[in-house]
Formats: sequence, structure tokens, C-alpha cells
Amino acid sequence: DVKVTQSSRYLVKRTGEKVFLECVQDMDHENMFWYRQDPGLGLRLIYFSYDVKMKEKGDIPEGYSVSREKKERFSLILESASTNQTSMYLCASSSTVTGANVLTFGAGSRLTVL
Amino acid sequence: GQSLEQPSEVTAVEGAIVQINCTYQTSGFYGLSWYQQHDGGAPTFLSYNALDGLEETGRFSSFLSRSDSYGYLLLQELQMKDSASYFCAVRRQAGTALIFGKGTTLSVSS
Repeated sequence: DVKVTQSSRYLVKRTGEKVFLECVQDMDHENMFWYRQDPGLGLRLIYFSYDVKMKEKGDIPEGYSVSREKKERFSLILESASTNQTSMYLCASSSTVTGANVLTFGAGSRLTVL
Repeated sequence: GQSLEQPSEVTAVEGAIVQINCTYQTSGFYGLSWYQQHDGGAPTFLSYNALDGLEETGRFSSFLSRSDSYGYLLLQELQMKDSASYFCAVRRQAGTALIFGKGTTLSVSS
């Protein structure tokens, strides 16, 4: 019954490494999102995409990039990981047709950068 | 810009009623949503208000007043399993993305 799958639940990387976080949804949703969640700061929007090959910056895009080559897959890329990118990363998707306010989230990827 | 304010913590006992308030500032309004997140879990959708008034879904209700830029989530007959974080959210000015408040941690005790 898993609908949004994030490839890694836990990752440990070193400063300066390139990090890929993968997200796949099986609901044929047009919209996909990447958030990061930190204690006391809630969920902050990094990037989102409303169509294949389309991307929009969120509120905290610095240090991140994204790729959406296929409708079901949305990747978050940290070009050169830094310790302040240690966080929980949440991927989500939504359908413009059935409700853009209803997001389905993945289980999250907890990234630690040493 | 857009911002949402909600209390950081609320405590209550089983069987009680609790209200979690949310005030928002946004240049364009496309409705107020509520999400629940248990510790270690993913956020899950609870409710959505596009128009003023109360929406009821079982023990949970959500209220919206657009003139006051204010809404609340009402949880009745509290159970231990309701202990979680609750987030209000509004649609971002540009596009379909949601902007979330910082969340309210609800602790229910017996």
C-alpha cells in the first residue's frame, strides 16, 4: 500500500560528498515536493515540481538541486553536502485534479553529514 | 510573504477536548489544511477548509474564518493515540506547494 517511496531511510555522508535522495510515487500525481524537517522549524519547502522536467524553488533552495525526468520520480541532489544539511528530508506528492492541498508524504530520509 | 503561527505545545487528558489555533498571513488564500504527524512517522492529511465555517470528520473538526485569517483544529474525546504533532498549512502564493506552520505538539495523558 506504499504510495510514496523514498529510497533511503537513513544516510550518513561526509562533508563535500554529492548526495542523491530519490523519491518515487505510484499515484500518477502531477505535483511532487521536497521538504526538510528540523526540530522547532516545522517543514520547510526546498523545491517542487508540477510537471516532468519542471521545477520551482521553494523557500530554502540554496545548496540543493532537483531532477524530474519521469512523472513518478523526483530526486533531490546535494551537490556538496555540508553539516548544516543534516536533517530529515520528506518527499510528497499531490494531484492537481483531486486536491492540491492533500499531500501524501513518504516515510522520510534522515541524512547525517559528518 | 507568507507565515503561519500556532502554539508550540498543548497538553490535555484523555477524554478532554483540545483546540489548536492557527493564524496565517498570505497574499493569496487557497484554503487552510491540517496535518498530523506521529513521532517517527510521516505527516498525514487531516482536513481542509476552503470556506468559512466548521468541517467535521469524526472526532476531529476544523474551523476557518477568512476575515480573521484564523483557523483551528478541534479534537474531541481525546485518546492517547492522538499524541502527535499537528501542522496547519496554506498554499504558497506561486504554484501548488503548501507552506506549513512550525507545528503544535499535543501530549495526551491518562
